[in-house]
Amino acid sequence: GAVVSQHPSRVICKSGTSVKIECRSLDFQATTMFWYRQFPKKSLMLMATSNEGSKATYEQGVEKDKFLINHASLTLSTLTVTSAHPEDSSFYICSARDDRTGASAFFGQGTRLTVV
Amino acid sequence: KQEVTQIPAALSVPEGENLVLNCSFTDSAIYNLQWFRQDPGKGLTSLLLIQSSQREQTSGRLNASLDKSSGRSTLYIAASQPGDSATYLCAVNSGNTPLVFGKGTRLSVIA
Repeated sequence: GAVVSQHPSRVICKSGTSVKIECRSLDFQATTMFWYRQFPKKSLMLMATSNEGSKATYEQGVEKDKFLINHASLTLSTLTVTSAHPEDSSFYICSARDDRTGASAFFGQGTRLTVV
Repeated sequence: KQEVTQIPAALSVPEGENLVLNCSFTDSAIYNLQWFRQDPGKGLTSLLLIQSSQREQTSGRLNASLDKSSGRSTLYIAASQPGDSATYLCAVNSGNTPLVFGKGTRLSVIA
């Protein structure tokens, strides 16, 4: 149980285009999901906390207009990287908090974004 | 395929005790290993990062060790406090790939 599916696993896009990444909790409801960015060979950085039915809470230094988060249902949160640039190339990882237990250590497989 | 296992899954200790959390990984070809803390309803907080060439890292009451050849890491918490109650996650970085996380150890420190 407690599976989080992230899609796509990898994507290549051209500069200036937008990319949407989906994070789904497959067998539990998640009012809260988290989006992280992983820089190559470095640690994870929390970008934002996604809350179903309300605005996401962004960490300091994260551009909310560039990284749009939508959490329209209890099982789906999306991260859209708008007007992507090569420096946005990175791994993006989501995690979901199980509403039944409060446990949050359920991670998606990650999305490798390459902007060319 | 890299797999990360954390033992125990949950741990409850009285305040003041020293404790050890264990993490093991199947593929020793890692770039670094990290320990994170996660409070209920919150995102991850990075605690310690150990490069593959290092044996240990210390931060305050926390000490993390790494034995790459045997695929093991431990997180030692000295003089535990109720504020240490959280879930502790171990994650392995194999270079240009997503981190692989263990399922975490849920720690409760009882006052």
